[in-house]
Amino acid sequence: EAQVTQNPRYLITVTGKKLTVTCSQNMNHEYMSWYRQDPGLGLRQIYYSMNVEVTDKGDVPEGYKVSRKEKRNFPLILESPSPNQTSLYFCASSYLFSYENSYNEQFFGPGTRLTVL
Amino acid sequence: SQQGEEDPQALSIQEGENATMNCSYKTSINNLQWYRQNSGRGLVHLILIRSNEREKHSGRLRVTLDTSKKSSSLLITASRAADTASYFCATNQGAQKLVFGQGTRLTINP
Repeated sequence: EAQVTQNPRYLITVTGKKLTVTCSQNMNHEYMSWYRQDPGLGLRQIYYSMNVEVTDKGDVPEGYKVSRKEKRNFPLILESPSPNQTSLYFCASSYLFSYENSYNEQFFGPGTRLTVL
Repeated sequence: SQQGEEDPQALSIQEGENATMNCSYKTSINNLQWYRQNSGRGLVHLILIRSNEREKHSGRLRVTLDTSKKSSSLLITASRAADTASYFCATNQGAQKLVFGQGTRLTINP
């Protein structure tokens, strides 16, 4: 089954304790992205990657790191989590945009609900 | 920044009625997409309309795009309880960036 998986689904941690949220897709997509969703703010992009070893900042990258060593995986790293990073996080993937096809619908993972105390 | 702005923020209708949601955006786009999100879950792609298209249908969904007004609408006909969800528009800016609006929360009452 084509899917994007995230782990863990729920996490409660304390300020300053490094954590990693994993994301994996099995659709051979080049493009992967991380979003956070907060009430009243919608989805905001944290980081994205257009292919292996290529990552770029989104709108809210502060406090986050990512890596793309393999095509299927795109982990999100919080080196020193703070309470303002309490949020619902989504990983998404898609084929690279092609204007002729405009075929870049994004496939979303189920989300990771993170609470930082 | 969030380019897409959905209107209304919340909509409550009776089962069987039609639901219309609107999305406005500010800059030129390559395409516009609509997604659905059931409570606390991942977003699911519904439909994509390219900038040179004016209307598109998929089952009970009808999407229109007016690039001169920088706006789009999503119509769900003959609504069902299962349509209860939040709906987001997303605009494609440049090569890969998708910018999402804040969503319309739709409630279908039995």
